[in-house]
Amino acid sequence: GQQVMQIPQYQHVQEGEDFTTYCNSSTTLSNIQWYKQRPGGHPVFLIQLVKSGEVKKQKRLTFQFGEAKKNSSLHITATQTTDVGTYFCAAFTGGGNKLTFGTGTQLKVEL
Amino acid sequence: DTEVTQTPKHLVMGMTNKKSLKCEQHMGHRAMYWYKQKAKKPPELMFVYSYEKLSINESVPSRFSPECPNSSLLNLHLHALQPEDSALYLCASSLLGQGAYGYTFGSGTRLTVV
Repeated sequence: GQQVMQIPQYQHVQEGEDFTTYCNSSTTLSNIQWYKQRPGGHPVFLIQLVKSGEVKKQKRLTFQFGEAKKNSSLHITATQTTDVGTYFCAAFTGGGNKLTFGTGTQLKVEL
Repeated sequence: DTEVTQTPKHLVMGMTNKKSLKCEQHMGHRAMYWYKQKAKKPPELMFVYSYEKLSINESVPSRFSPECPNSSLLNLHLHALQPEDSALYLCASSLLGQGAYGYTFGSGTRLTVV
């Protein structure tokens, strides 16, 4: 079945450094969503990207959807300890009815 | 109300027990989902309900039995589980369609099968 891979699997940064996670699919995606899951918490919806080449910003977070709609990225500028958690991309598969999560990137931020 | 409420938060059950997980939302969402998440893994889809009808079963073993009594409630009945079924069980809901506004997840039930 369709898989959505994310890299890196883990990332440790010093507070104030930037962070980027990449999401890659072998097939063209209709859209892509991003979720954040804090340690011990549940996934929380961040954003959905639909258009080829789309870029959206939420404060220090920048989301991009590739021109071919096969990849996406999430960039955090000047990380803070509140950014700690696992970031998942997610895409609809199986005819559009199943939201399948990527493998996730765990972010740790050290003071 | 913008929340999905799951009960219980923690559950320990024996392999011969029968238990139920409950999920409730009052956002008017007509699609509801069960996901299973093992430690350090992404959530995996189990079931999808649309308008209270089961539309997707991801080949889940019959020891897991979902039920949607009405548009606000979703249950997951558990029977004769195995230790490998221990995981975080997440309920989610969304507007119908491709969840353009994202899925809203509950805080989950952390299940331990002994």
